[in-house]
Amino acid sequence: DQQVKQNSPSLSVQEGRISILNCDYTNSMFDYFLWYKKYPAEGPTFLISISSIKDKNEDGRFTVFLNKSAKHLSLHIVPSQPGDSAVYFCAALTGANNLFFGTGTRLTVIP
Amino acid sequence: DTGVSQDPRHKITKRGQNVTFRCDPISEHNRLYWYRQTLGQGPEFLTYFQNEAQLEKSRLLSDRFSAERPKGSFSTLEIQRTEQGDSAMYLCASGYLSETQYFGPGTRLLVL
Repeated sequence: DQQVKQNSPSLSVQEGRISILNCDYTNSMFDYFLWYKKYPAEGPTFLISISSIKDKNEDGRFTVFLNKSAKHLSLHIVPSQPGDSAVYFCAALTGANNLFFGTGTRLTVIP
Repeated sequence: DTGVSQDPRHKITKRGQNVTFRCDPISEHNRLYWYRQTLGQGPEFLTYFQNEAQLEKSRLLSDRFSAERPKGSFSTLEIQRTEQGDSAMYLCASGYLSETQYFGPGTRLLVL
């Protein structure tokens, strides 16, 4: 049972434009959400997170939006850079400590 | 580099052999997690330690798997009588006061 879903396996964006990666979840008990970036043969690297009491969190070029009523979050990257090309994972947490991950979206930023 | 480290980075073994992986968390982190990732999937939770106490185990962690964190610092994950289905990337993560978990580079296991 996939509680965190990333329905787009891949996304291509021109350099300088906005990248929008989407994530849906089914468990209303999730209260903290994180985005990780992963390069091949490396572990996931933490990017940005958001608590369920907020609807937006911004860090430089990265902004995460949370819509609790829709059980949906998105990661915006602007402007996109070629170095952003990687697989992006959405993850969610309840009061327990294990992260539930989506299946990832491969972002390709075209120079 | 003070990030999470894992050893070995790669392991090839024959079916039926035992393997052991090591994870060294970020030094001040008291929480340590093990995850497994297979091709095309996100990481899946295996087990969690707070200091030396193993507080949670996933149903994925069969009786062939055992994890320890004897002094609340590094951790080991052992797989006994490996099966081809155990082939995966094994990831370790650590954390401290916040919810954020920081991952190591992973150990890629191939069971022949």
